[in-house]
Amino acid sequence: SAVISQKPSRDICQRGTSLTIQCQVDSQVTMMFWYRQQPGQSLTLIATANQGSEATYESGFVIDKFPISRPNLTFSTLTVSNMSPEDSSIYLCSVESAGGQFFGPGTRLTVL
Amino acid sequence: DAKTTQPPSMDCAEGRAANLPCNHSTISGNEYVYWYRQIHSQGPQYIIHGLKNNETNEMASLIITEDRKSSTLILPHATLRDTAVYYCIVRLLSGGSNYKLTFGKGTLLTVNP
Repeated sequence: SAVISQKPSRDICQRGTSLTIQCQVDSQVTMMFWYRQQPGQSLTLIATANQGSEATYESGFVIDKFPISRPNLTFSTLTVSNMSPEDSSIYLCSVESAGGQFFGPGTRLTVL
Repeated sequence: DAKTTQPPSMDCAEGRAANLPCNHSTISGNEYVYWYRQIHSQGPQYIIHGLKNNETNEMASLIITEDRKSSTLILPHATLRDTAVYYCIVRLLSGGSNYKLTFGKGTLLTVNP
């Protein structure tokens, strides 16, 4: 399975600011995913990020709020823009590898 | 919407087998059954997946009924560290656009000493 790391592991941010979360994989993967897990809830897919193409966003998520970069086959970033307290969540990076999806440890974001 | 139904919670005694059920009555012929678990505040961990045959690995066994409408994840000797939310998910193995995992609420398994 792929080994995935995320930075930062957690952060506390002020309302109106933006935070960029990094996801690094130890092998080249075509498909990467960003999920959100709000407090007490299950995971919800934000977008699919394939290298060399625009990210595909799920219903309820837009590029202006969650811009994604995918510069190469081992790295991606998710930015949470103009944050509000409702954005307080765990953000998880995931990759498709060997017939399954594997997840990073998550970034715990608290917006004050 | 999730295509699976799981009990919201289960308890198991340490050292005993934990049997977690999942109903997926609308599963299509080329969809696999995947199991993940999420220990508090960590990312989901892949456990096992299967199509129609029973599967076993170092973590667990997966028993799929002959009609594929339900399955059971078996942790043969549960430990306290197996306390987690367990998610049963159906999806294609590969190909097409349906790579995404749709998470339901899962089953909170509590292993008691």
